[in-house]
Amino acid sequence: EDQVTQSPEALRLQEGESSSLNCSYTVSGLRGLFWYRQDPGKGPEFLFTLYSAGEEKEKERLKATLTKKESFLHITAPKPEDSATYLCAFNTGTASKLTFGTGTRLQVTL
Amino acid sequence: DAGVIQSPRHEVTEMGQEVTLRCKPISGHNSLFWYRQTMMRGLELLIYFNNNVPIDDSGMPEDRFSAKMPNASFSTLKIQPSEPRDSAVYFCASSLTEHNEQFFGPGTRLTVL
Repeated sequence: EDQVTQSPEALRLQEGESSSLNCSYTVSGLRGLFWYRQDPGKGPEFLFTLYSAGEEKEKERLKATLTKKESFLHITAPKPEDSATYLCAFNTGTASKLTFGTGTRLQVTL
Repeated sequence: DAGVIQSPRHEVTEMGQEVTLRCKPISGHNSLFWYRQTMMRGLELLIYFNNNVPIDDSGMPEDRFSAKMPNASFSTLKIQPSEPRDSAVYFCASSLTEHNEQFFGPGTRLTVL
């Protein structure tokens, strides 16, 4: 069965303390690997799509990378406003729907 | 630029009542998705439409749930009769095509007493 597993479930960082979130996947025929950010009481906000191993995308303090088995969301020098739940999701060539992981709750403190 | 619009934002109802959730996708987007999010099960796809046609409704929990998309700018998700276990946040999302990144609305928080 196609699935994604995110780790850790929760992560607490101090401001400026860089780290990475992991999304491991077992998917046949991966079409896209997506990263979203979700703030409490809001809908998920799209961050990145990755399509092939070796691909990288950046936005401000975030960088997403993809290998054949996992994706990482690297957070460089995080700020308190980066606190949120980060979700990864995938679709396949035969199934357009997104299947989401359970997310990583990130808290960045001063 | 307006994003995905959902209404109502909050709905409190009693068991057995009919509930209708509404969604207006981003203009020009051809695919629309309905999701449900709970602490226990996370974010789950209920149904999605492509060009107003339902494509995959395998996530609809049971016959009490139904969804329609009468035109490109409007969709409804109806629960009749509602039950306490339907309490969740329901999200609508739209995308340019069914394979592209999806943009989510703010959600409707449903509480069934």
